[in-house]
Amino acid sequence: ETGVTQTPRHLVMGMTNKKSLKCEQHLGHNAMYWYKQSAKKPLELMFVYNFKEQTENNSVPSRFSPECPNSSHLFLHLHTLQPEDSALYLCASSQSTGQGESQYFGPGTRLLVL
Amino acid sequence: SQQGEEDPQALSIQEGENATMNCSYKTSINNLQWYRQNSGRGLVHLILIRSNEREKHSGRLRVTLDTSKKSSSLLITASRAADTASYFCATDAYYGGSQGNLIFGKGTKLSVKP
Repeated sequence: ETGVTQTPRHLVMGMTNKKSLKCEQHLGHNAMYWYKQSAKKPLELMFVYNFKEQTENNSVPSRFSPECPNSSHLFLHLHTLQPEDSALYLCASSQSTGQGESQYFGPGTRLLVL
Repeated sequence: SQQGEEDPQALSIQEGENATMNCSYKTSINNLQWYRQNSGRGLVHLILIRSNEREKHSGRLRVTLDTSKKSSSLLITASRAADTASYFCATDAYYGGSQGNLIFGKGTKLSVKP
């Protein structure tokens, strides 16, 4: 599990706060992903980056802003969130975005929006 | 839209018994993967089966794929308490520019009692 790390592991924020989630992968992969996992819902793909370029934005509200400065780091900037945004946010990486690639997940950030 | 659908949603068995989980999907796929998630943690890749394969083994895991029925099953033999987790199937159906992106089901929550 140390191949993909995420910080912080837990975060409580108010609706007017601005915070950032950080993900780092030590696997030499070229693709990175953000997912949202809410209770009783399937894992939702949010963003995909391949070689630092965003290749997928799955109709995510603009209050979530991703940033990928290099292939090893991925951030998710949060501002003016809503209580329904409370969830487990998972970062993942893979060698590429091609078919048949398995993804390696971080432990997630448990976010609570008050 | 949701691609994979696992059943049962929850499964409780005794240690030593076999556990079978099923996954159905809607569109043609290139590959199907199974992942495991311990409570509140990231997902761990278990096994990948390609659309031209019918069965695959990995240790105590056996995965089958029936593309005519658009379904897959994951069998865990001789279960252990440590197998307690949620299990997800994921498909990488091709959607134009989203090639390779994984679509996850809601998962089966497995509880193995000692």
